[in-house]
Amino acid sequence: GAVVSQHPSWVICKSGTSVKIECRSLDFQATTMFWYRQFPKQSLMLMATSNEGSKATYEQGVEKDKFLINHASLTLSTLTVTSAHPEDSSFYICSATPGLAGLNELAQYFGPGTRLLVL
Amino acid sequence: GQNIDQPTEMTATEGAIVQINCTYQTSGFNGLFWYQQHAGEAPTFLSYNVLDGLEEKGRFSSFLSRSKGYSYLLLKELQMKDSASYLCAVRDRKIYNQGGKLIFGQGTELSVKP
Repeated sequence: GAVVSQHPSWVICKSGTSVKIECRSLDFQATTMFWYRQFPKQSLMLMATSNEGSKATYEQGVEKDKFLINHASLTLSTLTVTSAHPEDSSFYICSATPGLAGLNELAQYFGPGTRLLVL
Repeated sequence: GQNIDQPTEMTATEGAIVQINCTYQTSGFNGLFWYQQHAGEAPTFLSYNVLDGLEEKGRFSSFLSRSKGYSYLLLKELQMKDSASYLCAVRDRKIYNQGGKLIFGQGTELSVKP
């Protein structure tokens, strides 16, 4: 149990284009999903927290108009990087917290990540 | 402010025991997590402590002292595949049924030598 998937795993795009990344909880309902960014040799930096049906809460310094987050259902959240630039190239990882008994509802389960390269 | 410290890197020998320390100063506390992350992959959940004491899961154990703001991850019978980055993360307060956010340390890069 507690499997989180991300799609796509790799994206290469031209500067100025928009990229959408999907995060799905496959075998549980996620009350909360988180989006992180990780640069090489650095730790995970939280970008935003999203709860199903409500607006995402962004961390300080993260532009909400550039990183659009939609959490339309209890199993799907999307992150759209709008007008991507080379400095947005990074490893984007989502995680989900289950809201059902039987799983550790306090743990975050991570997706496999999406590597974005903006040329 | 929020601050989580752990050593940048450690080296140990196959079959040995290694202890990775983590100290934290955060505005809220609702549990401490340890994750393992291999290069190019997402983190995988190892352990969780919310009360003081030792939690044991096979070759891995994690200890927490809330009064000291201190935790450690203990890895026994080290194997080559244990070479990875180990991330200490503190969860801040839980709001109703919403998962509190995790604040990650920089990670400790562990190299296991033959």
